[in-house]
Amino acid sequence: EADIYQTPRYLVIGTGKKITLECSQTMGHDKMYWYQQDPGMELHLIHYSYGVNSTEKGDLSSESTVSRIRTEHFPLTLESARPSHTSQYLCASSYRANTEAFFGQGTRLTVV
Amino acid sequence: AQKITQTQPGMFVQEKEAVTLDCTYDTSDPSYGLFWYKQPSSGEMIFLIYQGSYDQQNATEGRYSLNFQKARKSANLVISASQLGDSAMYFCAMQRGFGNEKLTFGTGTRLTIIP
Repeated sequence: EADIYQTPRYLVIGTGKKITLECSQTMGHDKMYWYQQDPGMELHLIHYSYGVNSTEKGDLSSESTVSRIRTEHFPLTLESARPSHTSQYLCASSYRANTEAFFGQGTRLTVV
Repeated sequence: AQKITQTQPGMFVQEKEAVTLDCTYDTSDPSYGLFWYKQPSSGEMIFLIYQGSYDQQNATEGRYSLNFQKARKSANLVISASQLGDSAMYFCAMQRGFGNEKLTFGTGTRLTIIP
């Protein structure tokens, strides 16, 4: 069973609020990722990190930001939430290439 | 650019029958990895099976097998003896190139098992 955790599972928040989605893993993986998924659609990479103090933008442009101060922790922040940010956000980690990525249970964000 | 194509948006299969979910891919990298994930309605992504581009044999994991046809650039998932719990979204994904762990996902197939 994967040891990667996301909180909260569900979040409904008003426009303009600042939010932070938490992601933690206890597997000691250097590589961590954030994916965005609209209902019934494919996952799109929005951020990734190869290790502490290493973060890069993914394929899909996102107004969110991330930080990686500790190996186990990879939070995602939206400074000012908008209805267009409504989506599911999935965090993942992996040990190395050619091995599976382990996913958290996701955060379903609704901005009203 | 890498691309994954899943042409079956939805499938209905009788319980206990075998089912094949199609996946084709496009890449110019000689080294890549192919994955299948299952996503139940609860939302998490569950890893099912992996095939490396240099693997000579098709991957198998219990009831799951991957029909890898490199020349045709296809990586179909076969589920034998389907069960009601197999009802979910299934995503094919590709890891792009050696040492690159980032995944490109297809649009998914929603599989429904009929009792």
